[in-house]
Amino acid sequence: QKEVEQDPGPLSVPEGAIVSLNCTYSNSAFQYFMWYRQYSRKGPELLMYTYSSGNKEDGRFTAQVDKSSKYISLFIRDSQPSDSATYLCAMSAQVLEYGNKLVFGAGTILRVKS
Amino acid sequence: DAGVTQSPTHLIKTRGQQVTLRCSPKSGHDTVSWYQQALGQGPQFIFQYYEEEERQRGNFPDRFSGHQFPNYSSELNVNALLLGDSALYLCASSLDGLRLAGGDEQYFGPGTRLTVT
Repeated sequence: QKEVEQDPGPLSVPEGAIVSLNCTYSNSAFQYFMWYRQYSRKGPELLMYTYSSGNKEDGRFTAQVDKSSKYISLFIRDSQPSDSATYLCAMSAQVLEYGNKLVFGAGTILRVKS
Repeated sequence: DAGVTQSPTHLIKTRGQQVTLRCSPKSGHDTVSWYQQALGQGPQFIFQYYEEEERQRGNFPDRFSGHQFPNYSSELNVNALLLGDSALYLCASSLDGLRLAGGDEQYFGPGTRLTVT
């Protein structure tokens, strides 16, 4: 079983839709949770960085963390064709065993149709 | 403010050869991590360098080695290349001083695409 599970999609939505992307994880030591966006053949771009449980909002993006369920989400409001990309969740634990290495999900491919 | 840079962009090598990839961290950052991303997969952690030492290592064989220089730039070396080493190699940088405070976001470079034939 992978430490971080993420549905690879693809997820196809019309322009203007609300998008929900999700990851589950198994290691309760994870404390820091990130979402990266990766365009084709490019490096990942950090979108959201959150600590522990709760919500964080930045423009059209909202990240949610539920540590009790080991479940994280990214919501994109008013989706645009330029949001079409692969979305990667990542997490880390600040303990000796892990340092701050990131453990990634496989990524979800999102396609926003105009 | 210069972001993370990597060179070369693309590389084609033959099985058994050796390769060196280079990374310059974001201005002000002192920690460099390397990741391997196979097609259709998420990045996998190779190792992390801080203060010119390998601080942490993922589940990769000794054929993968690295180095960090006094100016914080880093190299990834892969010996005895296998077909399975074909991937996008990503470098990420962060600031260690923020690590224990939870502010050590890792920023990625554009990657080096390695093809082994």
